[in-house]
Amino acid sequence: DGGITQSPKYLFRKEGQNVTLSCEQNLNHDAMYWYRQDPGQGLRLIYYSQIVNDFQKGDIAEGYSVSREKKESFPLTVTSAQKNPTAFYLCASSGTFNSNQPQHFGDGTRLSIL
Amino acid sequence: AQSVAQPEDQVNVAEGNPLTVKCTYSVSGNPYLFWYVQYPNRGLQFLLKYITGDNLVKGSYGFEAEFNKSQTSFHLKKPSALVSDSALYFCAVRDLGDMRFGAGTRLTVKP
Repeated sequence: DGGITQSPKYLFRKEGQNVTLSCEQNLNHDAMYWYRQDPGQGLRLIYYSQIVNDFQKGDIAEGYSVSREKKESFPLTVTSAQKNPTAFYLCASSGTFNSNQPQHFGDGTRLSIL
Repeated sequence: AQSVAQPEDQVNVAEGNPLTVKCTYSVSGNPYLFWYVQYPNRGLQFLLKYITGDNLVKGSYGFEAEFNKSQTSFHLKKPSALVSDSALYFCAVRDLGDMRFGAGTRLTVKP
């Protein structure tokens, strides 16, 4: 079955530590996205990538970094500069950035501070 | 810039009754509108979309939504609610590639 796989499902970060969240898709989609979900705030866009080797900042990029070296993979690093990283992180993809098709979502990674 | 509002944080209905989850939007051009559902500790699942054409859109699990251009609304509806419909529902609008999500409405269906 085609879909998006996020790992790990739960992640704990120590003070001053960088952590990386994995996102892999086998849908052959060009565009991929990272969202942060906090209770009562909906989804906020962290970074997006329209195509391999390209990515753009979203609304809340500070303290995060990404790479897009392969079409299938769009990992997100939460750096020590992100002072409030506790949240549910969702990865999504769509055929193209301007597509009228819906975004497909992974099942998320829940990040907490130790 | 586009935006979307879900005016109700919480909607409670009895099983078997009709349900409505409200959504209004603001865009500069013609919108692509979407509804998603989220169950606990899961990602968002696509329910339905409006791109163009008929104002009444039918989607998964018996849900439908009505596009109203004059009221800039895209309310989600279902004629007869099930307990298993209890979840968090998100409306989203896409304009020129940029997708914006509402804050979500928690639907609780009581037996």
